[in-house]
Amino acid sequence: ETGVTQTPRHLVMGMTNKKSLKCEQHLGHNAMYWYKQSAKKPLELMFVYSLEERVENNSVPSRFSPECPNSSHLFLHLHTLQPEDSALYLCASSQGVRTGELFFGEGSRLTVL
Amino acid sequence: KQEVTQIPAALSVPEGENLVLNCSFTDSAIYNLQWFRQDPGKGLTSLLLIQSSQREQTSGRLNASLDKSSGRSTLYIAASQPGDSATYLCAVRGGSEKLVFGKGTKLTVNP
Repeated sequence: ETGVTQTPRHLVMGMTNKKSLKCEQHLGHNAMYWYKQSAKKPLELMFVYSLEERVENNSVPSRFSPECPNSSHLFLHLHTLQPEDSALYLCASSQGVRTGELFFGEGSRLTVL
Repeated sequence: KQEVTQIPAALSVPEGENLVLNCSFTDSAIYNLQWFRQDPGKGLTSLLLIQSSQREQTSGRLNASLDKSSGRSTLYIAASQPGDSATYLCAVRGGSEKLVFGKGTKLTVNP
């Protein structure tokens, strides 16, 4: 495995479900990110973890809950989502949060019914 | 608040043409600027990273320039090919350490 891997690639869930998105990076980086990409909008930063500590929470609703158990893994736990949360969720990693080049995964396409 | 603008929103060119994509940003106090490519339904692929102390970076047929004082960057693609068709995104990392993205330029290279 190389680069940044995201699972699942596609997820359909009802508004009362609880699910999780997983991200794993094999690049030896120390920072990981969650981004949201909606149609016709720029990518929105959701969370940043540096050395497994959250350093940024970009006013994201509490129905999105991140978890970073170690520098290689990042999760996004989802519960009681709304249809407007349907989007492509992208994970990225970098070496350092200031100057490091970002590498993205393929994304998890989420549809909330 | 940093804002990133990419013009044009869409561009269609014949194969073999050289082309330039533009990116402008409002706050010149940046750490770096990164160009990405995104194919439909896929993640982002990093193309070039320019640190604030650099003026340009080259990779194969791609050349990116950075002019911090004017808040501009360009991505030059030489001898375009149909496989270059994708959305190209510019992102700027500033003092808040957030990477702020533009909306992208959708490029179509016609055979």
